[in-house]
Amino acid sequence: QQQVKQSPQSLIVQKGGIPIINCAYENTAFDYFPWYQQFPGKGPALLIAIRPDVSEKKEGRFTISFNKSAKQFSLHIMDSQPGDSATYFCAASETGNQFYFGTGTSLTVIP
Amino acid sequence: DAEITQSPRHKITETGRQVTLACHQTWNHNNMFWYRQDLGHGLRLIHYSYGVQDTNKGEVSDGYSVSRSNTEDLPLTLESAASSQTSVYFCASSVGTGSPYEQYFGPGTRLTVT
Repeated sequence: QQQVKQSPQSLIVQKGGIPIINCAYENTAFDYFPWYQQFPGKGPALLIAIRPDVSEKKEGRFTISFNKSAKQFSLHIMDSQPGDSATYFCAASETGNQFYFGTGTSLTVIP
Repeated sequence: DAEITQSPRHKITETGRQVTLACHQTWNHNNMFWYRQDLGHGLRLIHYSYGVQDTNKGEVSDGYSVSRSNTEDLPLTLESAASSQTSVYFCASSVGTGSPYEQYFGPGTRLTVT
């Protein structure tokens, strides 16, 4: 059973657009929700993370929105650039030990 | 600089052979993890360790084993490689219990079983 469900599977936006990637979870014990960015041939790298005690977190052009009651969280990329083209994974964890990853979203930003 | 390395980066092996993938981290992290990445499945946890002599099974542990004899290394062994184990394998590490939770990933090993 997939602990974290991610959508969409792929996403194409124009430069400057705001792609949104969504994730949903069931386990209310999860207390850490990171997003990872992965470029071809590389390992995933932490992009931004949020704890359930806040509803939004911004780091540069990347924003996580968190809805605890709906058990959903999403990644927004403001003013997207071709260099943001990558695969994005959401994840969830309880006490930071075992991570459960979503299936990934392939983002393409067209110049 | 501290880092996490994996070797080999690419490996081709035959069905039935034993294969060991190496993972080495220099952060002195307590936690280490092995994932496999396949299209449509994302990253799935194979085995993990919370410290020396500690190992635990993850979601897809059948056919794999690990051992943790020191803090820096967590080798992953495929006992008898199968074509279904063709995948990209990632090792990761994190500090341990308590904040911060971030997992840091290695560059990956692409394994092909023919």
